Amino acid sequence: NAGVTQTPKFQVLKTGQSMTLQCAQDMNHEYMSWYRQDPGMGLRLIHYSVGAGITDQGEVPNGYNVSRSTTEDFPLRLLSAAPSQTSVYFCASSYSGAQGYGYTFGSGTRLTVV
Amino acid sequence: AQSVTQPDIHITVSEGASLELRCNYSYGATPYLFWYVQSPGQGLQLLLKYFSGDTLVQGIKGFEAEFKRSQSSFNLRKPSVHWSDAAEYFCAVGARAAGNKLTFGGGTRVLVKP
Repeated sequence: NAGVTQTPKFQVLKTGQSMTLQCAQDMNHEYMSWYRQDPGMGLRLIHYSVGAGITDQGEVPNGYNVSRSTTEDFPLRLLSAAPSQTSVYFCASSYSGAQGYGYTFGSGTRLTVV
Repeated sequence: AQSVTQPDIHITVSEGASLELRCNYSYGATPYLFWYVQSPGQGLQLLLKYFSGDTLVQGIKGFEAEFKRSQSSFNLRKPSVHWSDAAEYFCAVGARAAGNKLTFGGGTRVLVKP
């Protein structure tokens, strides 16, 4: 099925541990992004990419790292997990064309840092 | 930079009654506007989107939204609410010129009374 695949769906980390959230899309979309969702705050942009090899920071980038070596993959790395990073993380890919653009979201990763 | 405000954090509506969710945005150019719905523990589902043209947009599940440039608003409406419409609703504005970034409002949680 075409879409955005996020793994894992659930994860518990201890403070100070590192991990990588995986995101892959098979729609050949140019743009990809990572969001975190916290109660009452909607979704906030962490990092985004406009193509392979090009990434930039979003609204809340601290504590996270990304790279985009291929069009398909856009992993999010937590360098040293903190309780404040407990959240639900969504990856998205998007296209842009003459008729506007659209987004496809992954199903999310629920991360708890203890 | 773009921003989105959803003034109502919670709305309670009786089943069969009409529903209107407010969304105000700030963006310096023509916006791309979206409404998403999220049921508890689930991902985001696109209800409708506006790029250009007719300012009244029809979406799925009987929802519609009207773009009013003069008021910087994109309010979501449904004439008759069903119990299954209980969920959280997010308005978002997109910026094609800025890497296809989406900026979300804080969300409105809708409760449906029988």
